[in-house]
Amino acid sequence: NAGVMQNPRHLVRRRGQEARLRCSPMKGHSHVYWYRQLPEEGLKFMVYLQKENIIDESGMPKERFSAEFPKEGPSILRIQQVVRGDSAAYFCASSAEVISSYEQYFGPGTRLTVT
Amino acid sequence: DQQVKQNSPSLSVQEGRISILNCDYTNSMFDYFLWYKKYPAEGPTFLISISSIKDKNEDGRFTVFLNKSAKHLSLHIVPSQPGDSAVYFCAASANSGNTPLVFGKGTRLSVIA
Repeated sequence: NAGVMQNPRHLVRRRGQEARLRCSPMKGHSHVYWYRQLPEEGLKFMVYLQKENIIDESGMPKERFSAEFPKEGPSILRIQQVVRGDSAAYFCASSAEVISSYEQYFGPGTRLTVT
Repeated sequence: DQQVKQNSPSLSVQEGRISILNCDYTNSMFDYFLWYKKYPAEGPTFLISISSIKDKNEDGRFTVFLNKSAKHLSLHIVPSQPGDSAVYFCAASANSGNTPLVFGKGTRLSVIA
């Protein structure tokens, strides 16, 4: 399967715990984007990364949220001390390493539930 | 401030007829527009796109029209099929690619057999 992989698909955390969401981009893609979808809303951009670099994190809350895309391994979105408002679907997308690449391909998402 | 707006939350269409989904945008810097289709509990699937230098792009049953002066685009599906029932998101991009997409809230299309 050469598509974008995300795991886990479902994650339940109690308030105050940490959530780690993983994303492996499509083969040959080195650009990774994280989006969040709240119920009945569209997808909202959070952070854009290339290998080992954060390119744009303007959509990510300053507190408790962090992201990385190491040289080896998947991209990780980390949420510390989760609160109920963090409950949402988190989608990762990837795009190719070419100039003017617009199309982004999405993974199946991780549904985070904070109890 | 919503830069991409899909003003119809839902749309019902008879099988075999045309479905028209609309999208408006406010940011003049957007130069590329994409439509995604999403089924419940799945990620969005890329459907079709259009560059701002064109006014129409066609792919099988799907055609996207862009009216730059009105800052409006539409997705036409003809003929509509029950399998087209899903949520459709309009998205826009600026600055020549490899930038975050800005999404509308989506339109839920129901194709009735």
